[in-house]
Amino acid sequence: ETGVTQTPRHLVMGMTNKKSLKCEQHLGHNAMYWYKQSAKKPLELMFVYSLEERVENNSVPSRFSPECPNSSHLFLHLHTLQPEDSALYLCASSQFPVVNTEAFFGQGTRLTVV
Amino acid sequence: AQTVTQSQPEMSVQEAETVTLSCTYDTSENNYYLFWYKQPPSRQMILVIRQEAYKQQNATENRFSVNFQKAAKSFSLKISDSQLGDTAMYFCAFMKHEGGSQGNLIFGKGTKLSVKP
Repeated sequence: ETGVTQTPRHLVMGMTNKKSLKCEQHLGHNAMYWYKQSAKKPLELMFVYSLEERVENNSVPSRFSPECPNSSHLFLHLHTLQPEDSALYLCASSQFPVVNTEAFFGQGTRLTVV
Repeated sequence: AQTVTQSQPEMSVQEAETVTLSCTYDTSENNYYLFWYKQPPSRQMILVIRQEAYKQQNATENRFSVNFQKAAKSFSLKISDSQLGDTAMYFCAFMKHEGGSQGNLIFGKGTKLSVKP
């Protein structure tokens, strides 16, 4: 069982739909992240939450809206997406500000926008 | 801005043999971390090995070792005695040592490694 759980594993949505991705970590970490993994491109950091506050937003379009209600849960709300938003969305967690730790990843949500 | 380059999109190796995956990076930082992550078909990213830039000694984890050349900004991964379970995408990643969040990783595009029986 992974320490970082993402649901759903797969999601197909139309461009007018609203959906949410969920991430939960059971590691006692206090920082959580959303990454986007597209074909033939490097993983892109989208959002960082540290101590439940958003500390980074890498110029992500407003059709992606993150939410971090507590240190164990992270959501990515999606609305009016485009086909180019189809990708694997990975959640990760780590401990801040301890330096000598690693980020743990979930298994991702494979999103297809039709 | 930091960049990470993996010049080998795909590689293959025979079981039990040794393979080296290449990674170069560009940064003006002096203190940073470098990582190799493995992503098997299950899609979960798993940390393979980590190197602190201030350490001269190359990191080693069982069959996995790195060749870290700071001046050349090179960070290759050597896998010895390759096993079928090593088949996966391998990503090289960079992180600044700024005491900040540890997930602010900058990734390369990855190398797809196939271990053949």
